[in-house]
Amino acid sequence: KAGVTQTPRYLIKTRGQQVTLSCSPISGHRSVSWYQQTPGQGLQFLFEYFSETQRNKGNFPGRFSGRQFSNSRSEMNVSTLELGDSALYLCASRSTGAEQYFGPGTRLTVT
Amino acid sequence: KNEVEQSPQNLTAQEGEFITINCSYSVGISALHWLQQHPGGGIVSLFMLSSGKKKHGRLIATINIQEKHSSLHITASHPRDSAVYICAVQYNFNKFYFGSGTKLNVKP
Repeated sequence: KAGVTQTPRYLIKTRGQQVTLSCSPISGHRSVSWYQQTPGQGLQFLFEYFSETQRNKGNFPGRFSGRQFSNSRSEMNVSTLELGDSALYLCASRSTGAEQYFGPGTRLTVT
Repeated sequence: KNEVEQSPQNLTAQEGEFITINCSYSVGISALHWLQQHPGGGIVSLFMLSSGKKKHGRLIATINIQEKHSSLHITASHPRDSAVYICAVQYNFNKFYFGSGTKLNVKP
């Protein structure tokens, strides 16, 4: 089985712009979660989608949003980028009750 | 507020040593995960625990639900074990909180 893929792998954006990141889960996995990792805050949970519905959300402002499509692929969007949004964004997929499989991440730099 | 406390933050060991990393959490959880992150960012899930003990090769993970504590042990450590190890607690509906990580360096 192919692993979790994320595109793009690297991204440079300017403050005020918006960005969309994509995640393709392992085939058959219906749950996709998104995480932000920064040197200062470590790993933080953004949100989880299951069967196109957001099931849970972390403590992030409304500028961070996501969606999941019927094929379980997921996107996350960050609007009005701030310098502090520079981070590694990871997605992970899982089947019900099982461990997570992480993608390689998208490294976002905001200048 | 970080609901997951992990120790130590940094650990240097000689090849062959037995290593223990600890994780404590504050409220009841549905599961606890141990993750490994190598330089470059890739994260691998090592264990998912809700009770007792699991073993995979030289890695052993234990959890004590009553004491809200988990340990990750590495026996006969090897330089390829050098990585950051992260404890993650899972609450209902797949909400996760993460420890700050333990950076392990195993010297040959």
